[in-house]
Amino acid sequence: DAGVTQSPTHLIKTRGQQVTLRCSPKSGHDTVSWYQQALGQGPQFIFQYYEEEERQRGNFPDRFSGHQFPNYSSELNVNALLLGDSALYLCASSLEPLVGTGELFFGEGSRLTVL
Amino acid sequence: AQSVAQPEDQVNVAEGNPLTVKCTYSVSGNPYLFWYVQYPNRGLQFLLKYITGDNLVKGSYGFEAEFNKSQTSFHLKKPSALVSDSALYFCAVRDPISGGYNKLIFGAGTRLAVHP
Repeated sequence: DAGVTQSPTHLIKTRGQQVTLRCSPKSGHDTVSWYQQALGQGPQFIFQYYEEEERQRGNFPDRFSGHQFPNYSSELNVNALLLGDSALYLCASSLEPLVGTGELFFGEGSRLTVL
Repeated sequence: AQSVAQPEDQVNVAEGNPLTVKCTYSVSGNPYLFWYVQYPNRGLQFLLKYITGDNLVKGSYGFEAEFNKSQTSFHLKKPSALVSDSALYFCAVRDPISGGYNKLIFGAGTRLAVHP
């Protein structure tokens, strides 16, 4: 049973560039959430997708956008990269968007470095 | 504002000794509380959760946590630590303002170091 998979695992960009991160949820899961984990901090919620729509959004600017595809996979896009966007980006999937068991399954993350 | 605090950046314990990793929370309404563990260069792994019911919750790898409503705490415990327990531990609470959606607020994390 494949867990949550993310790609790429590492990438380096320069300020002002754009980046796209990808996530495939755990088999059977239909909801994908994205979190940003800066160095030495806990993950911070970016947004959640369910039924191909953004359902919840955290305190992140519009430079952060996303998409969910019919097969439940998801992309996170960040435009006009800033140095402060350097972080580990975590994708998490769950069986539903509402709190049922409340258990999120996380991927290993995509580490973004902005120079 | 909803928040989670992990007052210790690092906890050191000898192998075989009991361990406690502390967590306090501040949310409106009934809290849904979680513990996750992160090993180096890995994503977060679910350990246990408290939704309702018994205040003592048992989870994976022999960990348990005690919910204390009066002290707004949810401390993680294990009776006998293993060197392999060394990792970064995160306490989290569901954001009640999210309307029930699966949005978690995480603490800053506590690094557990278990020495042989």
